[in-house]
Amino acid sequence: KAGVTQTPRYLIKTRGQQVTLSCSPISGHRSVSWYQQTPGQGLQFLFEYFSETQRNKGNFPGRFSGRQFSNSRSEMNVSTLELGDSALYLCASRVSANEKLFFGSGTQLSVL
Amino acid sequence: AQKITQTQPGMFVQEKEAVTLDCTYDTSDQSYGLFWYKQPSSGEMIFLIYQGSYDEQNATEGRYSLNFQKARKSANLVISASQLGDSAMYFCAMRELTQGGSEKLVFGKGTKLTVNP
Repeated sequence: KAGVTQTPRYLIKTRGQQVTLSCSPISGHRSVSWYQQTPGQGLQFLFEYFSETQRNKGNFPGRFSGRQFSNSRSEMNVSTLELGDSALYLCASRVSANEKLFFGSGTQLSVL
Repeated sequence: AQKITQTQPGMFVQEKEAVTLDCTYDTSDQSYGLFWYKQPSSGEMIFLIYQGSYDEQNATEGRYSLNFQKARKSANLVISASQLGDSAMYFCAMRELTQGGSEKLVFGKGTKLTVNP
């Protein structure tokens, strides 16, 4: 069974641009969550999607958005990039509530 | 809000020895779950072990065991017979329930473990 797949693995953007990250969950998993990891703030929850609906969002500005498709694949978008958005973005999926999260290898975003 | 504290930024252990990574938590919930994840340099977060607040036995998964002391609000990870491949960041996390039935993980800052040959 394939794990959580995130693409691309690395991204370099400049300030003001926008970026879209992709995540394919494990087959059969309907919940997809996104986390941001930085050296200063550590791991922070961005949002969770379940059956194409955003169920919860962390304390991030509106420039961070996402969506989930009918096949459970998810995308995350960041508009008007800032230097502070440089981070490892991790996607995770789970079958249902109270089940453990399986993470992907992340997308390393660098904003110059 | 829930909080996870990992007080050891870095730990060193000799190959084949055991090591304990500390984790304390703060929550007002009666029902909660605690996780440990390993993050090698590749970036992927690898699930290691889970402990539910009502579990009577300490969780074990192969060389990993969780020393769960509920009254002290601690959930330390014990790795037995350390291997070179255990060198990585280790994160303790707690499940936090949110509105609408969603849940998220609250992570500690992590401990960098280095296994020396």
